[in-house]
Amino acid sequence: DTGVSQNPRHKITKRGQNVTFRCDPISEHNRLYWYRQTLGQGPEFLTYFQNEAQLEKSRLLSDRFSAERPKGSFSTLEIQRTEQGDSAMYLCASSFGGSFSYEQYFGPGTRLTVT
Amino acid sequence: QKEVEQNSGPLSVPEGAIASLNCTYSDRGSQSFFWYRQYSGKSPELIMSIYSNGDKEDGRFTAQLNKASQYVSLLIRDSQPSDSATYLCAVTNFNKFYFGSGTKLNVKP
Repeated sequence: DTGVSQNPRHKITKRGQNVTFRCDPISEHNRLYWYRQTLGQGPEFLTYFQNEAQLEKSRLLSDRFSAERPKGSFSTLEIQRTEQGDSAMYLCASSFGGSFSYEQYFGPGTRLTVT
Repeated sequence: QKEVEQNSGPLSVPEGAIASLNCTYSDRGSQSFFWYRQYSGKSPELIMSIYSNGDKEDGRFTAQLNKASQYVSLLIRDSQPSDSATYLCAVTNFNKFYFGSGTKLNVKP
């Protein structure tokens, strides 16, 4: 399977704990995106990498959230001191860069439940 | 005002009919426009991309873009029950990426 993969698929954690999610993009894709989606809403942009550079970060993203893509391949998203409001589906997508081509392909997502 | 607006639906059409889904956006500098399909409990799946004014057809799907009116639409011909899903409109402007909340489509057999 050469699609975007995400691990874990589900995560249940207690409030105040830290969690880390991993995303492996499609191998030839140089761009990687993180989104958060809650029930009944569309994906909400969190951050975006081109190769290893983090080019954009949502103003909605608090300091508790951090993302890395150290070698321009896989990426991790960490949430520190989780809150119940962090419960959501965390989606990763990747694309091949061109001037205007941002056709993003999504992974299956990581569902986070904070109790 | 949200960057991308969609009617939440549900939009109900009979099998074999044409389903018409609409989306408006607020950023006049937007350059790329996409339609995604999302089944319940699954992640979004890219259906169509469109970058210039006019129509773009791919099988049963036609995307329409009117930048002057800041309007994007998706037509699904010969709708099938398997088309029942939420359809998300997405708009990008360089490093800005916005999704609408989606329109739920029900295709009745």
